[in-house]
Amino acid sequence: NAGVTQTPKFQVLKTGQSMTLQCAQDMNHEYMSWYRQDPGMGLRLIHYSVGAGITDQGEVPNGYNVSRSTTEDFPLRLLSAAPSQTSVYFCASSAGTSVRQETQYFGPGTRLLVL
Amino acid sequence: ILNVEQSPQSLHVQEGDSTNFTCSFPSSNFYALHWYRWETAKSPEALFVMTLNGDEKKKGRISATLNTKEGYSYLYIKGSQPEDSATYLCAFMVTTDSWGKFQFGAGTQVVVTP
Repeated sequence: NAGVTQTPKFQVLKTGQSMTLQCAQDMNHEYMSWYRQDPGMGLRLIHYSVGAGITDQGEVPNGYNVSRSTTEDFPLRLLSAAPSQTSVYFCASSAGTSVRQETQYFGPGTRLLVL
Repeated sequence: ILNVEQSPQSLHVQEGDSTNFTCSFPSSNFYALHWYRWETAKSPEALFVMTLNGDEKKKGRISATLNTKEGYSYLYIKGSQPEDSATYLCAFMVTTDSWGKFQFGAGTQVVVTP
């Protein structure tokens, strides 16, 4: 099992550009999520999904879109990049649609710099 | 927006000493609390899942307790070793967001010196 994979590992964007951060898992997990991590702050939830075709907003969804067409993939789209979106992005997944008792498995992260 | 607070923000421990730190959360509508360990340049890894008041979990030299009535969880490291150096995160979930919204604390950074 590769677990949770993320691509790219590092990306530099100019303000206004768009891009998609890829996330995939091979554990047949129903729940997937995206977080951003900024200095001095905890992981903040951007969007999450409890299964294919079902997504919902987290704490900081503005400027990001997601879709979940398959169980394996959960891409995060930046529509028009802004310097405030400079961050490290983590994708995570867990088994089952009720994450109460299921630990999350995190990907290696994508470091994004917006100039 | 809920407030999950972790204290202290950082602590330095001598090898062999024991230590503990706190995750505080709102006591109403408690649903779950998870602890994660996050080493530099790696991804967070799960330590404990805690769902019931009075829960006590242990993994090697690390253990955690949960008090949902007063809204806190303690994580203990017994006989700290340099490999325990990491940031420890807690993540909190309420019943009203049981579909999947965890709120993470900012973490406690532990540095164990030989």
